[in-house]
Amino acid sequence: EPEVTQTPSHQVTQMGQEVILRCVPISNHLYFYWYRQILGQKVEFLVSFYNNEISEKSEIFDDQFSVERPDGSNFTLKIRSTKLEDSAMYFCASSEYRAGTEAFFGQGTRLTVV
Amino acid sequence: GESVGLHLPTLSVQEGDNSIINCAYSNSASDYFIWYKQESGKGPQFIIDIRSNMDKRQGQRVTVLLNKTVKHLSLQIAATQPGDSAVYFCAEMHGGGADGLTFGKGTHLIIQP
Repeated sequence: EPEVTQTPSHQVTQMGQEVILRCVPISNHLYFYWYRQILGQKVEFLVSFYNNEISEKSEIFDDQFSVERPDGSNFTLKIRSTKLEDSAMYFCASSEYRAGTEAFFGQGTRLTVV
Repeated sequence: GESVGLHLPTLSVQEGDNSIINCAYSNSASDYFIWYKQESGKGPQFIIDIRSNMDKRQGQRVTVLLNKTVKHLSLQIAATQPGDSAVYFCAEMHGGGADGLTFGKGTHLIIQP
């Protein structure tokens, strides 16, 4: 069964450092997403990406965040200068069609900012 | 503000019994709803979805009911099994070009042996 894969599974970084979280969406999917989940809280939408550009972003997704599809398979989330409150699980998701269809989630990357 | 939320944080049921998990939403523009299951340390796993032009949809052992009048969504799991123990999230998407899902806070379903 096709799946979304994320690396690394756990990332520890010092405050102020840049991190890049990586995702390989399902191969025939065209829409890509990043969500985050702070420990014990609900999953929050960050950004959606289609046709090599951001199609929607939440207010969480400020100038410290960026996304990129550097090649035909990877989808990355970069946080330029991490803050303690960026510590969370970050989930990548992809879907075959646009909004209103099933999005498949990866296992997540646990980001710990110290 | 508009939100999607769940009534009960924890639900405990006996193995083999049916369970019902509820969700209230406040965005009347929502036109697509999904139930996700999240096991410890894993990402959300799609269970079942329903569009706003439907009232009910059935899957394998699961049924989703949508009541648009009172903005209520429920997930029924029949004959619960130990593997059903997880946190269940409802999520909604509203029309008008939005891509992102808005998740509720989650209900922790515990299956008692």
